[in-house]
Amino acid sequence: NAGVTQTPKFRVLKTGQSMTLLCAQDMNHEYMYWYRQDPGMGLRLIHYSVGEGTTAKGEVPDGYNVSRLKKQNFLLGLESAAPSQTSVYFCASSYSRESAPHRFGPGTRLTVT
Amino acid sequence: SQQGEEDPQALSIQEGENATMNCSYKTSINNLQWYRQNSGRGLVHLILIRSNEREKHSGRLRVTLDTSKKSSSLLITASRAADTASYFCATGGGGGNKLTFGTGTQLKVEL
Repeated sequence: NAGVTQTPKFRVLKTGQSMTLLCAQDMNHEYMYWYRQDPGMGLRLIHYSVGEGTTAKGEVPDGYNVSRLKKQNFLLGLESAAPSQTSVYFCASSYSRESAPHRFGPGTRLTVT
Repeated sequence: SQQGEEDPQALSIQEGENATMNCSYKTSINNLQWYRQNSGRGLVHLILIRSNEREKHSGRLRVTLDTSKKSSSLLITASRAADTASYFCATGGGGGNKLTFGTGTQLKVEL
């Protein structure tokens, strides 16, 4: 039982390049989330999904797209990376009830130069 | 914008002492959770308190919630060096089980 895994762990991009971050969970969780963490800011929700084939915007969605084609996977895409997207990205998942604890992945550290 | 502000931003104590962290939030909530983050790692869920509860215990952790003041506190008793980490409060209630996180308290427990 691996929990929540994220790929890659580290990445450096040049401004304007694109990339996809992959999140996978093996707990049969219905809900999945992408957060970003910046120094002194805590975590902010980018996008989330309440089930396969569904996605919704969070607090800071601009510049990102997501897809949930399979229940266990949640992809975060950056079409044209900007230095402001330098951050640590965390994926999380939970059962489909309010107050269910989030289970977090180990994070992806992204630097955009 | 962040839902919660945590206080203090950083806390340094000796092993065996108690550590208290506070969290304030802005809007009505369904529940409030506390998470721990060790340096460079993902967050780990510690404890949850629902909006109709006032106090919750789990091992060395004690959480209180005052919905009239929109505030919560996390008490770690008899702290250990292994408790060194950042602690975040997170509020839920906006649908989709979304959480809004505070800015965190960095706790350092020295031997």
